[in-house]
Amino acid sequence: GQQVMQIPQYQHVQEGEDFTTYCNSSTTLSNIQWYKQRPGGHPVFLIQLVKSGEVKKQKRLTFQFGEAKKNSSLHITATQTTDVGTYFCAGPNYMDSSYKLIFGSGTRLLVRP
Amino acid sequence: IAGITQAPTSQILAAGRRMTLRCTQDMRHNAMYWYRQDLGLGLRLIHYSNTAGTTGKGEVPDGYSVSRANTDDFPLTLASAVPSQTSVYFCASSDTSKRNEQFFGPGTRLTVL
Repeated sequence: GQQVMQIPQYQHVQEGEDFTTYCNSSTTLSNIQWYKQRPGGHPVFLIQLVKSGEVKKQKRLTFQFGEAKKNSSLHITATQTTDVGTYFCAGPNYMDSSYKLIFGSGTRLLVRP
Repeated sequence: IAGITQAPTSQILAAGRRMTLRCTQDMRHNAMYWYRQDLGLGLRLIHYSNTAGTTGKGEVPDGYSVSRANTDDFPLTLASAVPSQTSVYFCASSDTSKRNEQFFGPGTRLTVL
């Protein structure tokens, strides 16, 4: 079945360093979504990418969707302690004529102050 | 109510007992979902409902059942709990006619002994 893989599983950085998490799908995606989950919290939607090669920015966060629409990345420039959390990518699955999301296993970001 | 709520917040349950986790949303979203989150495994879909009156199985449906009698409520029932169902359970909803971003509830932490 469709799989969404995410690396690395963990990343521990010094505050001010950059961070990147990568997402790869076993199938071509119509779109990809990214979510952030703070420790003890629930996932919160960050962004959706739709177009091949699309790049979107949210302040220090840069999201990319691959040309083949099978991979994506999230890059954080100059991390801050507020960036701590787990970042998930998710791709749609339309099996059984129903819309569902398949989530990656997430990348947990820890930031040393 | 603002958004999506879940109850209880946490529960300790004896193996073999029946348990219903409640989920209510006030956004009039057509679709609702139940996920379980286990360390290192990300979010795995248990059951989903695209509209009131219909439900479908996700990746890990065994041991769980759901119902969708109306738009707002989507309870998840464990008929006879087992220790492997110890997890954090998240309910989510989305409007599949729009961007498909999912809104998550605060979660229920369930421990089965």
